[in-house]
Amino acid sequence: AQSVTQLGSHVSVSEGALVLLRCNYSSSVPPYLFWYVQYPNQGLQLLLKYTTGATLVKGINGFEAEFKKSETSFHLTKPSAHMSDAAEYFCAVSDPDTGNQFYFGTGTSLTVIP
Amino acid sequence: EADIYQTPRYLVIGTGKKITLECSQTMGHDKMYWYQQDPGMELHLIHYSYGVNSTEKGDLSSESTVSRIRTEHFPLTLESARPSHTSQYLCASSATDRTNSPLHFGNGTRLTVT
Repeated sequence: AQSVTQLGSHVSVSEGALVLLRCNYSSSVPPYLFWYVQYPNQGLQLLLKYTTGATLVKGINGFEAEFKKSETSFHLTKPSAHMSDAAEYFCAVSDPDTGNQFYFGTGTSLTVIP
Repeated sequence: EADIYQTPRYLVIGTGKKITLECSQTMGHDKMYWYQQDPGMELHLIHYSYGVNSTEKGDLSSESTVSRIRTEHFPLTLESARPSHTSQYLCASSATDRTNSPLHFGNGTRLTVT
């Protein structure tokens, strides 16, 4: 079975600073990779996904992530944090053969300090 | 803007009551899922369906049941609610035609059993 590790359950950054949220996966075959954002009292919303092709993926709200096969990582970044970025972020993977099962990390809560 | 709808958003109910959490999607997706979400934990898959009359239990043992009589509807039922069922329940769906389709989530139902 696949697994996803998100380092740092809580991350705090100042407004305007770089956001870096870490995600590592364990799989012998590169899976499909996703980042989701969850605002309070809402469901999860897709930020971006990597399936094949370019390893640097751009998503909504200025976020991007880079797939590094050698490091089995898919870290999420944003050059300049905004107050509205405060939320819970989840990394997820799915089986590329079937796309049926999804595995989620435990989430990282991002706080943006004014 | 959600194309997948969950009702109710919040539910407080006494022990022993039977409850049904509703989930409907308008995207024509064949795959539908129920996840349980607790603070600081990864999302746990409790049920999934790949089409009408198809339902399977997920990784997390659950006392709930589901049905899939229509493509757009995937309700979850607890025959006898207990305090241990207190949690957030998220419904999701994904398209079948591509293996790299992401999950689309509803806004969740927050259940409290007293």
